[in-house]
Amino acid sequence: SYELTQPPSVSVSPGQTARITCSGDALPKQHGSWYQQKPGQAPVLLIYKDSERPSGIPERFSGSSSGTTVTLTISGVQAEDEADYYCQSADSSGSYYVFGPGTKVTVL
Amino acid sequence: EVQLVQSGAEVKKPGESLKISCKGSGYSFSSWWIGWVRQMPGKGLEWMGIIYPGDSDTRYSPSFQGQVTISADKSIRTAYLQWSSLTASDTAIYYCARPPEAAADGEGYFEYWGQGTLVTVSS
Repeated sequence: SYELTQPPSVSVSPGQTARITCSGDALPKQHGSWYQQKPGQAPVLLIYKDSERPSGIPERFSGSSSGTTVTLTISGVQAEDEADYYCQSADSSGSYYVFGPGTKVTVL
Repeated sequence: EVQLVQSGAEVKKPGESLKISCKGSGYSFSSWWIGWVRQMPGKGLEWMGIIYPGDSDTRYSPSFQGQVTISADKSIRTAYLQWSSLTASDTAIYYCARPPEAAADGEGYFEYWGQGTLVTVSS
């Protein structure tokens, strides 16, 4: 079945920019979404349709898409941004969705 | 306010059956897809499937097709996830979730999440 690929970890200093990539063969055709999950909590939707932000999500979270890769950018990283981040998208026919394996963001 | 409230934690033995629930409120329950997501201990998120309570149209991930059953009763605004015979590998937190208002029909990304139901399967 369809798979998305993410780096397992990203480290960033406070105030710097973190970029997390997500690759998948169907991404030129399907939109990507991004979630943040902190320990013991349900995931939070950060980005949908590649670059749209739900109400209440800080502007420092942004998304972009290019070819087979979608990217989550966290600008001006804060300590509270330390969490696991998951991308999500659909297979080429849009029949079902998958999550990427997750990226652990560590704020140094 | 959209709310999804899930049933409580379960402890079951291998081979037993189970049905967990997710009750929606604050929106037109019949008009929005609801999905289920698994998270095994210490692992990532896995998309299981979604259902449209209005007509019970259901879509499964190939990884979960035939392993679980997703259903809904729109009269009581509740979605369900059920197993006929549990195994230890079903031990996980299961979340129900709903897409945002901006989602198109059948899109399976989620803004609103339940609190999660921990299912433990152990002999």
